[in-house]
Amino acid sequence: GAVVSQHPSRVICKSGTSVKIECRSLDFQATTMFWYRQFPKQSLMLMATSNEGSKATYEQGVEKDKFLINHASLTLSTLTVTSAHPEDSSFYICSASSGTGVEKLFFGSGTQLSVL
Amino acid sequence: AQTVTQSQPEMSVQEAETVTLSCTYDTSESDYYLFWYKQPPSRQMILVIRQEAYKQQNATENRFSVNFQKAAKSFSLKISDSQLGDAAMYFCAYRSGTSGTYKYIFGTGTRLKVLA
Repeated sequence: GAVVSQHPSRVICKSGTSVKIECRSLDFQATTMFWYRQFPKQSLMLMATSNEGSKATYEQGVEKDKFLINHASLTLSTLTVTSAHPEDSSFYICSASSGTGVEKLFFGSGTQLSVL
Repeated sequence: AQTVTQSQPEMSVQEAETVTLSCTYDTSESDYYLFWYKQPPSRQMILVIRQEAYKQQNATENRFSVNFQKAAKSFSLKISDSQLGDAAMYFCAYRSGTSGTYKYIFGTGTRLKVLA
């Protein structure tokens, strides 16, 4: 099956620093990538949708200046948490869709961000 | 706006028995996709089963099957011959079938415990 690679799996950073999370589709071209945030024992909350070569569409309440999303190619999307604060600590998950043929959504393994 | 509701926060099943997880959704669209995803303790999201709304036949994948009731907007998951490895969070998800920008909307999840 299709593979989505997400790195790093875990990151600990100091308050005020920026953290970049990478999401790569390894064996297919991802026309659309989604970024989710998941709090403990809760569901996935969609943060933004990105299409290759265009600006990301952010969900209501998500600060686009804090959560910078870049979808530079059909296989790579990045999420940068700028000036991270403890309240940004969470589990972030990316997912990718090929948008062709049988529609399926493939997920990365997630990134646990801890801001001290 | 579409919504997905999972009314069972937690379910338990004896090993080798059958369990059904409930999911209802609300939409005004006629064309859409429904999914069940599994999230084990590793937190990797895994696709369990997929259903296109235009198909009347219920999807099946080995021990997993769905009961799709389009008029009632119900999409339950049946797990037969439950195994210890089935223990996980299960999320029901909806995706619009119309072209253009779309989102996957997830329910709040059901935690399934499998008792030995």
